[in-house]
Amino acid sequence: GAVVSQHPSWVICKSGTSVKIECRSLDFQATTMFWYRQFPKQSLMLMATSNEGSKATYEQGVEKDKFLINHASLTLSTLTVTSAHPEDSSFYICSATRAGLAETQYFGPGTRLLVL
Amino acid sequence: GNSVTQMEGPVTLSEEAFLTINCTYTATGYPSLFWYVQYPGEGLQLLLKATKADDKGSNKGFEATYRKETTSFHLEKGSVQVSDSAVYFCALSDPGANSKLTFGKGITLSVRP
Repeated sequence: GAVVSQHPSWVICKSGTSVKIECRSLDFQATTMFWYRQFPKQSLMLMATSNEGSKATYEQGVEKDKFLINHASLTLSTLTVTSAHPEDSSFYICSATRAGLAETQYFGPGTRLLVL
Repeated sequence: GNSVTQMEGPVTLSEEAFLTINCTYTATGYPSLFWYVQYPGEGLQLLLKATKADDKGSNKGFEATYRKETTSFHLEKGSVQVSDSAVYFCALSDPGANSKLTFGKGITLSVRP
């Protein structure tokens, strides 16, 4: 149990376009979802934390108008990279926690974004 | 603030060798400590965790003990296999901050036959 999926697994887009990434908890209800960014050979950097039905909490230095997060249900969160630029190219990973097990995050497989 | 420091990598070992990956942390309060593993092309998976001092987490032959006096959570395995080749991340969770995870930089382990 505790499977998290992401879609798409990879995406290539032109500079200036917007890209939406979905994160789903397949077999549990996610009380909280997290979005991370991972640069090559580096650690995961937390971008934002979202709870269902409320606004996401962004980490310092992350532009909330550029990285739009919507957590519309207990099984789905989306990250939209608006007006993407080449510097936004990265590996985006989501995770989710379930009720009663808030300390354990279950990670999705990640989405690789390449902006040309 | 919270931080996690992992030893520099990469690490290359022969099969059946002993593995130690060092991890130290800085935190206010009493964090929980984790090791996550990322196999090639896959997402992070929880390998083991410990929630209080002197706890030992273990899974798949890996062990790590929460040492409060040395603020460490070193990962060990007595005999590594080729299938253990992956990236290993040490992390801590701040219970006072919505369980946000702070990760170390990760270390790549390659095990040769």
